[in-house]
Amino acid sequence: AQKVTQAQTEISVVEKEDVTLDCVYETRDTTYYLFWYKQPPSGELVFLIRRNSFDEQNEISGRYSWNFQKSTSSFNFTITASQVVDSAVYFCALSEAEETSGSRLTFGEGTQLTVNP
Amino acid sequence: GAGVSQSPRYKVAKRGQDVALRCDPISGHVSLFWYQQALGQGPEFLTYFQNEAQLDKSGLPSDRFFAERPEGSVSTLKIQRTQQEDSAVYLCASSLLGERAHSPLHFGNGTRLTVT
Repeated sequence: AQKVTQAQTEISVVEKEDVTLDCVYETRDTTYYLFWYKQPPSGELVFLIRRNSFDEQNEISGRYSWNFQKSTSSFNFTITASQVVDSAVYFCALSEAEETSGSRLTFGEGTQLTVNP
Repeated sequence: GAGVSQSPRYKVAKRGQDVALRCDPISGHVSLFWYQQALGQGPEFLTYFQNEAQLDKSGLPSDRFFAERPEGSVSTLKIQRTQQEDSAVYLCASSLLGERAHSPLHFGNGTRLTVT
């Protein structure tokens, strides 16, 4: 069965600091997809990124970057020069290609990020 | 708006009451999911629809939970004889493509259910 672990329950930083959110996953599938979602206080989960298991190239989008390492089953997320608006709960999630229910996601427990001014 | 809409935003029910939670997905989206999110936890899968067909209901915690999407658009999650452990945020999500596409999900703001 698949599992996603986000060991950091809460992280607090000061604005402009860099911060990395860790994500470790378990799956028996060779083909799978990894996601990051952001959940601000409004409650709506906002999609940030999707990667498939065959693409280990790291990705950068503005202040966000993602480091996918199959060898350690990790998909870490770094925010550079953090801002107060980055404060939210961040979820890492996994979906398996063989899963019968479409894009069914298995979520981690989430990391509450607080960026202080 | 163009996003996923859920109603009501908040629902308080007395133990034993039945509740119905509504989800309006993005127009034209084939896939629709329901997730349950307990306080301080990640969302957990409940059920999945592709158009009007309920392809997976393996995540529904008991036979008190029932979901439908009769015309392939709006969906309703019904909980009968609510219990305190049903208290959670119920999230609806939709995506444009069908199963195995693994396309990003668009989530609604959720319905926060409190059972007293």
